[in-house]
Amino acid sequence: KNQVEQSPQSLIILEGKNCTLQCNYTVSPFSNLRWYKQDTGRGPVSLTIMTFSENTKSNGRYTATLDADTKQSSLHITASQLSDSASYICVVSGFNAGNNRKLIWGLGTSLAVNP
Amino acid sequence: EPEVTQTPSHQVTQMGQEVILRCVPISNHLYFYWYRQILGQKVEFLVSFYNNEISEKSEIFDDQFSVERPDGSNFTLKIRSTKLEDSAMYFCATLRDRGTDTQYFGPGTRLTVL
Repeated sequence: KNQVEQSPQSLIILEGKNCTLQCNYTVSPFSNLRWYKQDTGRGPVSLTIMTFSENTKSNGRYTATLDADTKQSSLHITASQLSDSASYICVVSGFNAGNNRKLIWGLGTSLAVNP
Repeated sequence: EPEVTQTPSHQVTQMGQEVILRCVPISNHLYFYWYRQILGQKVEFLVSFYNNEISEKSEIFDDQFSVERPDGSNFTLKIRSTKLEDSAMYFCATLRDRGTDTQYFGPGTRLTVL
């Protein structure tokens, strides 16, 4: 069954600290993996997208890694800011039985950055 | 930067009533999607729309749901007879082309069914 599991479910860190969020998936066949940031009451915003051949991708203070062999990804946030408080969602793109692209969404990690 | 807009931001309705949620896609985008997110749960795919027809829909998207792009601008989701369990955030997303593969999400409409 295609699934995306994220950990931790929630995280509280102090402003300025780093943190790493985890994503494990069982989606097959795999197309790409995305990380989204979703502020409370807002739509998700894409942070990174990685294909099978990419191991790491950065977007400012956000760095995503992908290990396609172990089917794991991480999102590292450096020097956190108060505005980083949000839900971070891992989304894996695969294909369904009809060969149509399908997005499998994780539940997200809720990050709170405190002053 | 161009963005997807949605109206209304919040809709309260009585069970059994019809609602129409509206989305204005980014102007040169060709693929349109509706998702919903029940409070505390995962984002769920509802339907995708391309070239004025549905290209894929989930099992959630039953006969109570319909989509259209009546004037070539707005992309609408209609729920014919709302149920309590339809209460959720509804997000519209648009995509320029399959090659870019990055969907842009609107801010969402919070639907509350009483």
